[in-house]
Amino acid sequence: GNSVTQMEGPVTLSEEAFLTINCTYTATGYPSLFWYVQYPGEGLQLLLKATKADDKGSNKGFEATYRKETTSFHLEKGSVQVSDSAVYFCALGRTGANNLFFGTGTRLTVIP
Amino acid sequence: GAGVSQSPSNKVTEKGKDVELRCDPISGHTALYWYRQSLGQGLEFLIYFQGNSAPDKSGLPSDRFSAERTGGSVSTLTIQRTQQEDSAVYLCASSLGTGNMQPQHFGDGTRLSIL
Repeated sequence: GNSVTQMEGPVTLSEEAFLTINCTYTATGYPSLFWYVQYPGEGLQLLLKATKADDKGSNKGFEATYRKETTSFHLEKGSVQVSDSAVYFCALGRTGANNLFFGTGTRLTVIP
Repeated sequence: GAGVSQSPSNKVTEKGKDVELRCDPISGHTALYWYRQSLGQGLEFLIYFQGNSAPDKSGLPSDRFSAERTGGSVSTLTIQRTQQEDSAVYLCASSLGTGNMQPQHFGDGTRLSIL
């Protein structure tokens, strides 16, 4: 089937620390991969995406590389800020389907 | 507005009542999706519309749930005879078209609480 497994949270980091949130997937065909972010009190927003193997999505200092060989799409940021505190969701869009499959979300708290 | 709009933002109702949730997608977006986010869980897909038709209703959890979309725009999700397990945040999203490369744009959700 199609599923996304995401790193369990919550994650607490100090400002300027390096961030990795792991995401692995199971899918048929050639999925697209997404990271969505939900800031406190706000709706889900698309953070970045990658549509084929070896693509790197990037936005706001965050990056994720679509690794077909390891079926992974880990989210990274070199230096987090307090404003990055949010819940991060990894998601998969499967060929031939229209809905997204979401991970359970990882809550990130960045402390000054 | 420029984004997906959902109303009401919060709804508290008694068990057994019917509720109607509304979603106004981004103008020009032909695809519309409903998801449910329960406490501590990821997003659960409910139903998808392409235009006014719903080719995929596989995610609706029971026959108490129904949805419609009129004019290729506004959609309503109706839950009849609500139960406490229906308490969740109901999210609506829209996208320009179908296909797995189209990102979905989400509204702020309706937080539904069943007493």
